[in-house]
Amino acid sequence: GAVVSQHPSWVICKSGTSVKIECRSLDFQATTMFWYRQFPKQSLMLMATSNEGSKATYEQGVEKDKFLINHASLTLSTLTVTSAHPEDSSFYICSAKGTSGKGRETQYFGPGTRLLVL
Amino acid sequence: AQSVTQLDSQVPVFEEAPVELRCNYSSSVSVYLFWYVQYPNQGLQLLLKYLSGSTLVKGINGFEAEFNKSQTSFHLRKPSVHISDTAEYFCAVTIKAAGNKLTFGGGTRVLVKP
Repeated sequence: GAVVSQHPSWVICKSGTSVKIECRSLDFQATTMFWYRQFPKQSLMLMATSNEGSKATYEQGVEKDKFLINHASLTLSTLTVTSAHPEDSSFYICSAKGTSGKGRETQYFGPGTRLLVL
Repeated sequence: AQSVTQLDSQVPVFEEAPVELRCNYSSSVSVYLFWYVQYPNQGLQLLLKYLSGSTLVKGINGFEAEFNKSQTSFHLRKPSVHISDTAEYFCAVTIKAAGNKLTFGGGTRVLVKP
C-alpha cells in the first residue's frame, strides 16, 4: 500500500497556543487530503477535505478559523489548531488520495497525532 | 446519502478460530467498499478494497471479504485468527461518482483470546 506520514506523533501544549500537524504522502501524489478527529473508542469524524491548491471544505460544525488547513503541494497538507483549548485534545488522523496509481480511489491514512492541551 | 452499519461492536474470538465481521451499507448509487484495521494508538491500515470485478476480495494478513450487491453487504472473514489480530476494524464506503468522502461504520473491536 501507499505510505502517508504524520508529524508529530504526539504533542502536549499549553492552552492558548497553536499547534501545527503535518501530513505527507511519501510515494504518490495526493490530489486530495482529509483530516479526521477520533475520540476514544469511537469511529473517525471527518473534519475537512482539502484539494491541492484550493481552499479546504469543512464539515458542518467544524470551525474554519480554529482548524486551519493548507494543502500547498501534492505531497503535503497541514492542520493548524489555533488557540488550542483542553476540549481540542484528541487523536487527529490525516488521509491522502490520488487520482492514479497507488492512491487511486483509495484513502491511505497517516499514523495519527495525539494532541493533549493542558 | 450513504450509511454503513457494523452490526457487532465487539467480537471475542479464540486464537486459531475463524472470525466474521459484518458490514452492511445503504446507498442509492454505486459504491466502493473498504475495510481498515486500527491497532491501538495508530492510524488506519487498509486491509482490502472492492472497486470492481470479482466480488471476493483478498487482502493482507489472510483477510478476505465478499461484496454482495443484493444484500448490500461486505462482510470480512479470516479462517484462523492470531493474537496479533486484536484490533479495531472499520468498514467504509464511498460513492463511485464522487470518489471522495469515506463514510465509516462504527467499528468492531476484535479481541483474540489465547
